[in-house]
Amino acid sequence: AQRVTQPEKLLSVFKGAPVELKCNYSYSGSPELFWYVQYSRQRLQLLLRHISRESIKGFTADLNKGETSFHLKKPFAQEEDSAMYYCALLNTGGFKTIFGAGTRLFVKA
Amino acid sequence: GAGVSQSPSNKVTEKGKDVELRCDPISGHTALYWYRQSLGQGLEFLIYFQGNSAPDKSGLPSDRFSAERTGGSVSTLTIQRTQQEDSAVYLCASSRSGNQETQYFGPGTRLLVL
Repeated sequence: AQRVTQPEKLLSVFKGAPVELKCNYSYSGSPELFWYVQYSRQRLQLLLRHISRESIKGFTADLNKGETSFHLKKPFAQEEDSAMYYCALLNTGGFKTIFGAGTRLFVKA
Repeated sequence: GAGVSQSPSNKVTEKGKDVELRCDPISGHTALYWYRQSLGQGLEFLIYFQGNSAPDKSGLPSDRFSAERTGGSVSTLTIQRTQQEDSAVYLCASSRSGNQETQYFGPGTRLLVL
């Protein structure tokens, strides 16, 4: 079954510290993976997708097929990074996106 | 340009009543999605519309839930005989096409069933 697991409901780090939000997936084929972010009082929006291989707001995520992981990383967290982060999986050639339960990141001053 | 809009933003209803939630996708977007966001549950896929094709209703949790999309644009999600467990935020998203395009989300409708 297709599944996305985000083991941490809440992650709290100090400003300037590295941050890693974990995401593991279960899928038999080659998935398309995304990170979505929801800032306070804003709508859910795409942060990055793995095929783009880009860095957005200093965040990167590498797809590790061996570990079936797509962890989101940033070397130096900023207070404005505080938000809810969702990892999501889209089956190849499909449209149904499976979301994880989300991780709330809190960056302390 | 205008993003995805949803109405109402909040809805409080009594158990057993029917509710209708509306979604206006971005103009020109052929794909439209409905999700349910429950506390601590992440986003749960409900239904997907793509152009004039038959919708994928595989995510609808029960036959009390239905959705339609008129004229390939506006969509309405209807919940009949609401139950307390239906309380959640209902999110709509649209994309240019259904094929791995970025989804753009609306602000959601927060439904509370008393």
